[in-house]
Amino acid sequence: NAGVMQNPRHLVRRRGQEARLRCSPMKGHSHVYWYRQLPEEGLKFMVYLQKENIIDESGMPKERFSAEFPKEGPSILRIQQVVRGDSAAYFCASSPTWDRRQPEYFGPGTRLTVT
Amino acid sequence: DAKTTQPPSMDCAEGRAANLPCNHSTISGNEYVYWYRQIHSQGPQYIIHGLKNNETNEMASLIITEDRKSSTLILPHATLRDTAVYYCIVRGSQETSGSRLTFGEGTQLTVNP
Repeated sequence: NAGVMQNPRHLVRRRGQEARLRCSPMKGHSHVYWYRQLPEEGLKFMVYLQKENIIDESGMPKERFSAEFPKEGPSILRIQQVVRGDSAAYFCASSPTWDRRQPEYFGPGTRLTVT
Repeated sequence: DAKTTQPPSMDCAEGRAANLPCNHSTISGNEYVYWYRQIHSQGPQYIIHGLKNNETNEMASLIITEDRKSSTLILPHATLRDTAVYYCIVRGSQETSGSRLTFGEGTQLTVNP
């Protein structure tokens, strides 16, 4: 079984540009989570989505960040007008249900560098 | 979700068992104990989880005390590839309140040759 896939693995953007990070969940998984890991810091929850619905976005910065998980295709984390402080590793995870008895499985991450 | 406390670092000799402790004294009855690890800067890897019974899989064993206030992750025969940061996470079971994993500082396990 293919695991969670993320692309690109590395992304370089200049300040002010937009960054789009993609996440394809494991087969059969309809729940997606995004986490961010700033340099030398721990992983922080950002957003939890089901197909076409945002369930919990309490960890998302109020501005410039958005996420979607359309009926078809991967989940997208979008960062508009990137700043240097957005440089981080962004991890996506997926699970088959909301049931917390089911673990989340993580992808390899996208490392965003803002120059 | 309940807070967890782990030692910041531990060392283990290759081939020996690694026992990683975790305190979660405020855990609620419906909260699960999850363990993940992160090797270098890779994506976190799921290891094992449990509610109140001890659990074992191909990677590790999880021992949860009877009062559920603490647990121990056991890697029976540690290898150099097990060097990683290990996270103990307490997680609720409801769709909204338990919708996230809250990562703490974890324990840096170093397996020495």
